[in-house]
Amino acid sequence: EAQVTQNPRYLITVTGKKLTVTCSQNMNHEYMSWYRQDPGLGLRQIYYSMNVEVTDKGDVPEGYKVSRKEKRNFPLILESPSPNQTSLYFCASSSLLYTEAFFGQGTRLTVV
Amino acid sequence: QKEVEQNSGPLSVPEGAIASLNCTYSDRGSQSFFWYRQYSGKSPELIMFIYSNGDKEDGRFTAQLNKASQYVSLLIRDSQPSDSATYLCAVKGGNKLVFGAGTILRVKS
Repeated sequence: EAQVTQNPRYLITVTGKKLTVTCSQNMNHEYMSWYRQDPGLGLRQIYYSMNVEVTDKGDVPEGYKVSRKEKRNFPLILESPSPNQTSLYFCASSSLLYTEAFFGQGTRLTVV
Repeated sequence: QKEVEQNSGPLSVPEGAIASLNCTYSDRGSQSFFWYRQYSGKSPELIMFIYSNGDKEDGRFTAQLNKASQYVSLLIRDSQPSDSATYLCAVKGGNKLVFGAGTILRVKS
Protein backbone atom coordinates (compact mmCIF):
# COMPACT_ATOMS: atom_id res chain seq x y z
CA GLU A 1 0.00 0.00 0.00
CA ALA A 2 1.31 3.43 -1.02
CA GLN A 3 1.71 5.57 2.04
CA VAL A 4 3.56 8.27 3.94
CA THR A 5 4.28 7.31 7.53
CA GLN A 6 4.99 9.78 10.29
CA ASN A 7 6.04 9.01 13.82
CA PRO A 8 5.16 9.75 16.50
CA ARG A 9 1.47 10.67 16.05
CA TYR A 10 1.37 12.56 19.34
CA LEU A 11 4.21 14.11 21.31
CA ILE A 12 4.36 16.24 24.42
CA THR A 13 7.77 17.61 25.26
CA VAL A 14 9.44 20.34 27.29
CA THR A 15 11.06 23.51 26.06
CA GLY A 16 14.60 22.96 24.83
CA LYS A 17 14.57 19.18 24.59
CA LYS A 18 15.66 18.12 21.12
CA LEU A 19 13.24 15.97 19.18
CA THR A 20 12.92 14.33 15.77
CA VAL A 21 9.74 13.54 13.86
CA THR A 22 10.31 10.86 11.28
CA CYS A 23 8.71 10.65 7.84
CA SER A 24 9.02 7.80 5.40
CA GLN A 25 7.37 7.16 2.02
CA ASN A 26 7.27 3.96 -0.04
CA MET A 27 6.35 5.48 -3.41
CA ASN A 28 9.87 6.37 -4.60
CA HIS A 29 8.87 10.04 -4.68
CA GLU A 30 11.54 12.65 -5.33
CA TYR A 31 9.74 15.53 -3.67
CA MET A 32 9.07 15.63 0.08
CA SER A 33 8.03 18.47 2.35
CA TRP A 34 7.00 19.37 5.86
CA TYR A 35 4.06 21.57 6.81
CA ARG A 36 2.68 22.90 10.03
CA GLN A 37 -1.00 23.63 10.44
CA ASP A 38 -2.33 26.16 12.88
CA PRO A 39 -5.93 27.39 13.32
CA GLY A 40 -6.77 30.13 10.86
CA LEU A 41 -3.39 29.93 9.14
CA GLY A 42 -3.79 26.83 7.04
CA LEU A 43 -0.86 24.69 6.00
CA ARG A 44 2.47 26.46 5.92
CA GLN A 45 5.53 24.88 4.37
CA ILE A 46 8.55 24.50 6.65
CA TYR A 47 11.12 22.80 4.43
CA TYR A 48 11.08 20.82 1.24
CA SER A 49 13.42 18.49 -0.58
CA MET A 50 13.58 17.82 -4.30
CA ASN A 51 15.87 14.82 -3.99
CA VAL A 52 18.56 13.21 -1.85
CA GLU A 53 20.86 15.81 -0.27
CA VAL A 54 18.79 18.65 -1.79
CA THR A 55 16.75 20.64 0.72
CA ASP A 56 15.44 24.19 0.83
CA LYS A 57 13.53 26.50 3.15
CA GLY A 58 9.81 26.96 2.90
CA ASP A 59 7.84 29.81 4.40
CA VAL A 60 8.45 29.14 8.11
CA PRO A 61 11.85 27.40 8.52
CA GLU A 62 13.03 29.12 11.71
CA GLY A 63 13.65 26.67 14.53
CA TYR A 64 13.59 23.59 12.31
CA LYS A 65 16.13 21.42 10.53
CA VAL A 66 15.75 18.64 8.00
CA SER A 67 17.94 16.12 6.26
CA ARG A 68 17.50 13.91 3.20
CA LYS A 69 20.14 11.20 3.29
CA GLU A 70 17.87 8.60 1.70
CA LYS A 71 15.14 9.08 -0.85
CA ARG A 72 12.43 7.53 1.30
CA ASN A 73 13.15 9.40 4.57
CA PHE A 74 12.80 13.06 5.46
CA PRO A 75 13.04 13.67 9.22
CA LEU A 76 12.12 16.97 10.85
CA ILE A 77 14.39 18.05 13.69
CA LEU A 78 13.61 20.57 16.41
CA GLU A 79 16.88 21.13 18.21
CA SER A 80 15.48 23.44 20.90
CA PRO A 81 11.69 23.35 20.77
CA SER A 82 9.71 26.31 22.07
CA PRO A 83 6.00 26.64 22.92
CA ASN A 84 5.31 28.52 19.66
CA GLN A 85 6.18 25.33 17.80
CA THR A 86 3.14 23.63 19.29
CA SER A 87 1.23 22.65 16.18
CA LEU A 88 -0.03 19.87 13.93
CA TYR A 89 2.69 18.74 11.54
CA PHE A 90 2.30 16.97 8.22
CA CYS A 91 4.83 15.36 5.98
CA ALA A 92 3.98 15.03 2.31
CA SER A 93 5.55 13.52 -0.79
CA SER A 94 4.93 13.66 -4.52
CA SER A 95 6.50 12.21 -7.63
CA LEU A 96 6.71 15.32 -9.78
CA LEU A 97 6.33 18.98 -9.08
CA TYR A 98 2.88 19.18 -10.62
CA THR A 99 1.17 16.16 -9.21
CA GLU A 100 -0.73 15.73 -6.00
CA ALA A 101 0.93 15.55 -2.63
CA PHE A 102 0.32 12.48 -0.46
CA PHE A 103 0.15 13.32 3.22
CA GLY A 104 1.18 11.44 6.31
CA GLN A 105 -1.23 10.99 9.21
CA GLY A 106 0.05 14.04 11.05
CA THR A 107 1.98 14.59 14.28
CA ARG A 108 0.41 16.65 17.01
CA LEU A 109 3.23 18.29 18.93
CA THR A 110 2.83 20.11 22.24
CA VAL A 111 5.78 21.98 23.74
CA VAL A 112 5.34 23.02 27.37
CA GLN B 1 -1.89 40.05 0.54
CA LYS B 2 -1.86 36.32 1.13
CA GLU B 3 -0.70 34.18 -1.75
CA VAL B 4 -3.81 32.01 -1.66
CA GLU B 5 -7.02 33.33 -0.16
CA GLN B 6 -10.20 31.55 0.81
CA ASN B 7 -13.24 32.61 2.75
CA SER B 8 -12.93 30.84 6.10
CA GLY B 9 -16.69 30.24 6.38
CA PRO B 10 -18.42 28.35 7.69
CA LEU B 11 -20.43 27.87 4.53
CA SER B 12 -23.72 26.18 5.41
CA VAL B 13 -25.82 24.46 2.77
CA PRO B 14 -28.80 22.12 3.03
CA GLU B 15 -28.45 18.50 2.02
CA GLY B 16 -28.89 18.08 -1.73
CA ALA B 17 -27.88 21.66 -2.56
CA ILE B 18 -24.84 22.87 -4.52
CA ALA B 19 -21.92 24.08 -2.43
CA SER B 20 -19.65 26.63 -4.09
CA LEU B 21 -16.16 27.18 -2.71
CA ASN B 22 -13.87 29.87 -4.03
CA CYS B 23 -10.17 30.59 -3.97
CA THR B 24 -8.03 33.41 -5.36
CA TYR B 25 -4.29 33.44 -5.82
CA SER B 26 -1.69 36.12 -6.35
CA ASP B 27 1.08 34.46 -8.38
CA ARG B 28 0.24 34.73 -12.09
CA GLY B 29 2.92 32.13 -12.83
CA SER B 30 1.04 29.42 -10.93
CA GLN B 31 0.58 26.35 -13.04
CA SER B 32 -1.39 23.75 -11.15
CA PHE B 33 -4.27 23.93 -8.74
CA PHE B 34 -5.60 21.47 -6.22
CA TRP B 35 -8.55 21.04 -3.92
CA TYR B 36 -8.09 19.00 -0.77
CA ARG B 37 -10.67 17.91 1.77
CA GLN B 38 -9.67 17.68 5.40
CA TYR B 39 -11.74 16.24 8.21
CA SER B 40 -11.02 17.50 11.69
CA GLY B 41 -7.72 16.09 13.01
CA LYS B 42 -7.05 14.14 9.82
CA SER B 43 -4.65 14.64 6.96
CA PRO B 44 -5.72 16.40 3.76
CA GLU B 45 -6.88 14.20 0.89
CA LEU B 46 -6.95 15.25 -2.74
CA ILE B 47 -10.36 15.75 -4.35
CA MET B 48 -9.56 17.47 -7.61
CA PHE B 49 -6.72 19.00 -9.55
CA ILE B 50 -6.85 21.26 -12.57
CA TYR B 51 -4.19 22.68 -14.86
CA SER B 52 -6.07 24.32 -17.71
CA ASN B 53 -8.64 27.08 -17.90
CA GLY B 54 -12.22 25.91 -17.83
CA ASP B 55 -14.12 23.23 -15.98
CA LYS B 56 -13.14 19.75 -14.88
CA GLU B 57 -15.79 17.37 -13.60
CA ASP B 58 -15.38 14.26 -11.47
CA GLY B 59 -18.58 12.76 -10.12
CA ARG B 60 -20.31 15.32 -7.89
CA PHE B 61 -17.31 17.63 -7.99
CA THR B 62 -16.45 20.30 -10.57
CA ALA B 63 -13.32 22.42 -10.45
CA GLN B 64 -13.28 25.69 -12.37
CA LEU B 65 -10.15 27.64 -13.24
CA ASN B 66 -9.86 31.17 -14.59
CA LYS B 67 -6.20 32.15 -14.87
CA ALA B 68 -6.92 35.64 -16.20
CA SER B 69 -8.94 36.45 -13.08
CA GLN B 70 -6.71 34.30 -10.88
CA TYR B 71 -9.40 32.29 -9.22
CA VAL B 72 -10.25 28.66 -8.88
CA SER B 73 -13.50 27.28 -7.53
CA LEU B 74 -14.97 23.96 -6.45
CA LEU B 75 -18.62 23.05 -6.89
CA ILE B 76 -20.10 20.15 -4.97
CA ARG B 77 -23.44 18.99 -6.33
CA ASP B 78 -26.01 17.08 -4.27
CA SER B 79 -24.14 17.94 -1.07
CA GLN B 80 -24.21 15.27 1.62
CA PRO B 81 -23.61 15.53 5.38
CA SER B 82 -20.42 13.50 4.83
CA ASP B 83 -19.12 16.41 2.73
CA SER B 84 -18.91 18.51 5.91
CA ALA B 85 -15.21 19.25 6.25
CA THR B 86 -12.60 21.93 5.63
CA TYR B 87 -11.69 22.41 1.96
CA LEU B 88 -8.19 23.56 1.19
CA CYS B 89 -7.22 25.24 -2.03
CA ALA B 90 -3.58 24.72 -3.02
CA VAL B 91 -1.64 26.42 -5.77
CA LYS B 92 1.67 25.28 -7.18
CA GLY B 93 4.14 27.50 -8.93
CA GLY B 94 7.82 26.65 -9.08
CA ASN B 95 8.86 24.44 -6.17
CA LYS B 96 6.24 25.46 -3.67
CA LEU B 97 2.76 24.22 -3.00
CA VAL B 98 0.95 27.05 -1.20
CA PHE B 99 -2.25 26.36 0.68
CA GLY B 100 -5.08 28.64 1.55
CA ALA B 101 -6.36 28.63 5.14
CA GLY B 102 -9.38 26.61 4.11
CA THR B 103 -13.16 26.99 4.01
CA ILE B 104 -15.31 25.12 6.50
CA LEU B 105 -18.32 23.53 4.81
CA ARG B 106 -21.32 22.35 6.81
CA VAL B 107 -24.03 20.36 5.10
CA LYS B 108 -27.23 20.25 7.12
CA SER B 109 -29.57 17.27 6.85
